[in-house]
Amino acid sequence: AQKVTQAQTEISVVEKEDVTLDCVYETRDTTYYLFWYKQPPSGELVFLIRRNSFDEQNEISGRYSWNFQKSTSSFNFTITASQVVDSAVYFCALLGSGGYNKLIFGAGTRLAVHP
Amino acid sequence: GAVVSQHPSWVICKSGTSVKIECRSLDFQATTMFWYRQFPKQSLMLMATSNEGSKATYEQGVEKDKFLINHASLTLSTLTVTSAHPEDSSFYICSASLAGYTDTQYFGPGTRLTVL
Repeated sequence: AQKVTQAQTEISVVEKEDVTLDCVYETRDTTYYLFWYKQPPSGELVFLIRRNSFDEQNEISGRYSWNFQKSTSSFNFTITASQVVDSAVYFCALLGSGGYNKLIFGAGTRLAVHP
Repeated sequence: GAVVSQHPSWVICKSGTSVKIECRSLDFQATTMFWYRQFPKQSLMLMATSNEGSKATYEQGVEKDKFLINHASLTLSTLTVTSAHPEDSSFYICSASLAGYTDTQYFGPGTRLTVL
């Protein structure tokens, strides 16, 4: 079975704080893909990153960084120096590779950044 | 790149009527398109997957006769909610991928359906 757990339901921070969103996944596939999407209040899901299971290098994109650790089945997302515009629901998702697979979403973490 | 549009962005209809939602990939040809449903403060639930020119594959529990999906071209998929009822009120989001199931899905802005 494939599963994604985002244990943090809601996080509230003050602008300029760093914040880490946790994501833990379960899969039996040896090849799989991990994603993060951002859903602002407007509702559209914005693609942030895709990682395949063979690439454990951490990724940094501006204020965003991702820490992929297969040993702990985690794919955590850190926002440095958070801004009000970062307020959104963030979804971690998992996609397997064996035949027909569907994108499995976590429950989402609602991030509120206050001025 | 990888822009997906949906139309309409919101719709209000009377119970018993049918509503069509369009999903278009604007700058790429989408081999596969997906339809999701999202209830307030919940995650996305996959309803069905469609490939151009083929019948859609519906997830367990999704009524295919109620949620008609047509994927007529590589840039357009439509979802028709037939004989809509208040319980069908929800946020419907489509996504599209260039190279099938394992490729990255790019999502549309969603359509908020309210059935009175």
